[in-house]
Amino acid sequence: AQSVTQLDSQVPVFEEAPVELRCNYSSSVSVYLFWYVQYPNQGLQLLLKYLSGSTLVKGINGFEAEFNKSQTSFHLRKPSVHISDTAEYFCAVSVEETSGSRLTFGEGTQLTVNP
Amino acid sequence: SQTIHQWPATLVQPVGSPLSLECTVEGTSNPNLYWYRQAAGRGLQLLFYSVGIGQISSEVPQNLSASRPQDRQFILSSKKLLLSDSGFYLCAWSLVGRGWTEAFFGQGTRLTVV
Repeated sequence: AQSVTQLDSQVPVFEEAPVELRCNYSSSVSVYLFWYVQYPNQGLQLLLKYLSGSTLVKGINGFEAEFNKSQTSFHLRKPSVHISDTAEYFCAVSVEETSGSRLTFGEGTQLTVNP
Repeated sequence: SQTIHQWPATLVQPVGSPLSLECTVEGTSNPNLYWYRQAAGRGLQLLFYSVGIGQISSEVPQNLSASRPQDRQFILSSKKLLLSDSGFYLCAWSLVGRGWTEAFFGQGTRLTVV
């Protein structure tokens, strides 16, 4: 079975600073990786996804993530954050199954951007 | 385009009362459907998933049950709520028959059991 570990439960940063949210996964088979963002009292919105091909994936709102197979990581980065990026971020993994996939989520990282 | 509706948005229920949360999907056929729970300060826990009408898989033993009476309708129920059932409940759907998928989420239901 697959699992996801988000290494930081809370990440406080100042506005316009760079940020990295860390995610490691474990799986015995090939995986597909996702980052979701959740604003307070809302559902989850997909930020970006890695399915195959280039290991550097660009998403919405200026976020990007790099898939590193040897380190089993999929860290999320943004070079300059805004106040509006304050939210909870979830890393998720799914594996290929014949009847569709289930997403397994990490515990989440609360990003707080301070002025 | 596909949309997912989940209601109610918030709910306050006394301990021991029944529960029914409903989720419907539009614009797609035969989706996989999921119920997740997010407890305060914790990540998302998969409660149930369904690959078709009447087909429900339970991920964790609990006080809740799920049903799928129609292709695009997914219901989360309880006969008697516990305080520990409080949380943020999210319905989601994904495409069937693909080697990969991503999930699309509803706006969630904030359940408070008092």
